[in-house]
Amino acid sequence: DQQVKQNSPSLSVQEGRISILNCDYTNSMFDYFLWYKKYPAEGPTFLISISSIKDKNEDGRFTVFLNKSAKHLSLHIVPSQPGDSAVYFCAAWDTNAGKSTFGDGTTLTVKP
Amino acid sequence: DTAVSQTPKYLVTQMGNDKSIKCEQNLGHDTMYWYKQDSKKFLKIMFSYNNKELIINETVPNRFSPKSPDKAHLNLHINSLELGDSAVYFCASSLRTGGNEKLFFGSGTQLSVL
Repeated sequence: DQQVKQNSPSLSVQEGRISILNCDYTNSMFDYFLWYKKYPAEGPTFLISISSIKDKNEDGRFTVFLNKSAKHLSLHIVPSQPGDSAVYFCAAWDTNAGKSTFGDGTTLTVKP
Repeated sequence: DTAVSQTPKYLVTQMGNDKSIKCEQNLGHDTMYWYKQDSKKFLKIMFSYNNKELIINETVPNRFSPKSPDKAHLNLHINSLELGDSAVYFCASSLRTGGNEKLFFGSGTQLSVL
């Protein structure tokens, strides 16, 4: 049972444009949602998070939107830069379970 | 200074062998994890330790035995390696705050079982 899904394995955008990465979840017990970025041969690094009681969180070029009724979140990157090319993982934190559940990642390619 | 370091980075071994992966964090975190990333790219939790105590064991075969000698270290020992154990294993740590648990990952150990 895959509780966190990223339905787009890959996304390609032009430098300067907006990148939108999507994530769906099924477990309504998740308290926080996080995005991680991963470069090849490195571990994932934390990017941005949002509490389940909020609908938007912004940090520089990165904004995460949460639609709780649809159990959907998205990560917007504006403007996209070639250095943003990486695999992006959506993760959901369940405080009671004490663990994060990850999606299977979306590979973002930003073309110069 | 590397925050979460794991060794070795690459591990190639034969079926049936026993191997260990070591992990250390210098962030002062109280919780450490092992995650497995298989060929489908899923990052799946295997174990979690809080203050040296096992708190999560996600139905991992008992050939996998984690050991936490102290809060800063979490090692993973694997007995009788099988082909299906081939994957990238990530160690991670966090500070248990009761919410918004950000994980800090090591760079991964690519295990190949031949």
